[in-house]
Amino acid sequence: SQQGEEDPQALSIQEGENATMNCSYKTSINNLQWYRQNSGRGLVHLILIRSNEREKHSGRLRVTLDTSKKSSSLLITASRAADTASYFCATERSSGDKLTFGTGTRLAVRP
Amino acid sequence: NAGVTQTPKFQVLKTGQSMTLQCAQDMNHNSMYWYRQDPGMGLRLIYYSASEGTTDKGEVPNGYNVSRLNKREFSLRLESAAPSQTSVYFCASSDLGAGTDTQYFGPGTRLTVL
Repeated sequence: SQQGEEDPQALSIQEGENATMNCSYKTSINNLQWYRQNSGRGLVHLILIRSNEREKHSGRLRVTLDTSKKSSSLLITASRAADTASYFCATERSSGDKLTFGTGTRLAVRP
Repeated sequence: NAGVTQTPKFQVLKTGQSMTLQCAQDMNHNSMYWYRQDPGMGLRLIYYSASEGTTDKGEVPNGYNVSRLNKREFSLRLESAAPSQTSVYFCASSDLGAGTDTQYFGPGTRLTVL
């Protein structure tokens, strides 16, 4: 069963706009990770946020984590056409446990 | 470093045929994984190997077998392919010993079973 559920399922924005996607999960976690998948390719790790962290930045990416609501959000600022991809959250329930992936958000950035 | 490599990239099988999907990683990772990805379903774990010499079932193991040949290689075998196994298969690896399961993925194998 899926631990993470992304919302929205699909998102279309104009280049230069910000994109926000959300992930909700069901059980307590050790960390939550975001991955990107370009069409026809494997997943690529973007960022990891631990359960004791509330916010993390990496370049144009900002991730927040609210463990009380069991939710996370990924914000991509100043989006580019190259950001067009599917984005997945993945949760690790305890240290060293295997990841459980959500169903993904498909992001389309229009030039 | 090549990272995680998978062969073949594409495969078409007839129902009942068998095949083995190959995966190798050159990052000296302890753990390796096989996933399948179907439209609208995200990634589902088929089997994983936490370390050389061990394998465990994931969420959807039926119809598959795996072999952890050595630390580098982890193969997935379909003994008698069924149309329901039409999917994209991804291999991944991670260094669980580092304390977090950040995974590195191969490019995938697109399998069609007729």
